[in-house]
Amino acid sequence: DSGVTQTPKHLITATGQRVTLRCSPRSGDLSVYWYQQSLDQGLQFLIHYYNGEERAKGNILERFSAQQFPDLHSELNLSSLELGDSALYFCASSVADSRVSPLHFGNGTRLTVT
Amino acid sequence: DAKTTQPNSMESNEEEPVHLPCNHSTISGTDYIHWYRQLPSQGPEYVIHGLTSNVNNRMASLAIAEDRKSSTLILHRATLRDAAVYYCILRDVETSGSRLTFGEGTQLTVNP
Repeated sequence: DSGVTQTPKHLITATGQRVTLRCSPRSGDLSVYWYQQSLDQGLQFLIHYYNGEERAKGNILERFSAQQFPDLHSELNLSSLELGDSALYFCASSVADSRVSPLHFGNGTRLTVT
Repeated sequence: DAKTTQPNSMESNEEEPVHLPCNHSTISGTDYIHWYRQLPSQGPEYVIHGLTSNVNNRMASLAIAEDRKSSTLILHRATLRDAAVYYCILRDVETSGSRLTFGEGTQLTVNP
């Protein structure tokens, strides 16, 4: 158990809809990262927050947004969903923003867009 | 980000050592070498990291070449639970922030 909690585990929704994925980091971790994993793209970095502030953006679509709240939990909002957004979405946390702090991943939210 | 090259797949037998290679010929002096693995239906899991010296922990050993252009992850006695995709990743906060950039990794199959 990594200590990172993601909810929900599974989500099935229709095209055009909006969903919110939630992540609770490990206790004491200030950094939260979001990743998308699809069959054809592998693990893609989306966005990184550190102590409530956005630190880096990766391949995140404009239809997607995220935030990290004062209690350090994070939410990833996906809107105007398309079939191609079907994927596993992982959240990870680490204690700091450094090149040595390991990332601890949750078990993901599986999103299916029909 | 500096690139790594790993074999697409490797096979091993249970209870035998496994050596997973990684080439990173364009590594910079400030890049740390990280290894993660992803078991089926789970998120990636941290295995080990190092800079220049060989490293050991309870999961594995990391052997780093003297010129740092390659490294090897060593699982001393493979178990069926070690079947996973293993990712070798270079990490340098100065150039790419603290995120991890995953490649394709090596799919390790462990035979009973």
